[in-house]
Amino acid sequence: SQQGEEDPQALSIQEGENATMNCSYKTSINNLQWYRQNSGRGLVHLILIRSNEREKHSGRLRVTLDTSKKSSSLLITASRAADTASYFCATGFQKLVFGTGTRLLVSP
Amino acid sequence: GAVVSQHPSWVICKSGTSVKIECRSLDFQATTMFWYRQFPKQSLMLMATSNEGSKATYEQGVEKDKFLINHASLTLSTLTVTSAHPEDSSFYICSARDRGGVSGNTIYFGEGSWLTVV
Repeated sequence: SQQGEEDPQALSIQEGENATMNCSYKTSINNLQWYRQNSGRGLVHLILIRSNEREKHSGRLRVTLDTSKKSSSLLITASRAADTASYFCATGFQKLVFGTGTRLLVSP
Repeated sequence: GAVVSQHPSWVICKSGTSVKIECRSLDFQATTMFWYRQFPKQSLMLMATSNEGSKATYEQGVEKDKFLINHASLTLSTLTVTSAHPEDSSFYICSARDRGGVSGNTIYFGEGSWLTVV
């Protein structure tokens, strides 16, 4: 069954702007991961945040986690056209349960 | 880095036929692999967990006789869609866990396989 919901479902921005995607989940977690998927391709792991962490950075990516609200956010700063993709959060140890995803479109 | 390869990348088959999709871990051993299904513009849904040397564990609602999974070696899992119908057309993605990776538990995804049943 679907674990989480993400919003927005779709996001359209201009290059240089920041993109924020939110993910909510239902059960307790040990960690939460964010993945990227280009259209019709496999998934690329972006970042993992553990349940005892509140914020994590990786390059232009910033992830926050609020376990009390069972939510996480992914911020992409200074977006580029190449960031156009779908972004999914996922929870679980091996059997990953994915959120509904956010389709990001970055226009030049 | 570790790579998971899927083959074929895309396949078209006739209704009623069976089609096999392979998932290989290229430079690590994977005792456990996972098969997901994804419809256009939707999320990934876990179909089954493929266990090397034993039967796969299917998620609720997934027909095990329809989607046959075999994990005969530590680097290969196969998904066979039997008696395919147009509603089986979808994007199928596998993932594999590398226990020996830097993090000790890294999941790698294949590039996916597009199945179109006509």
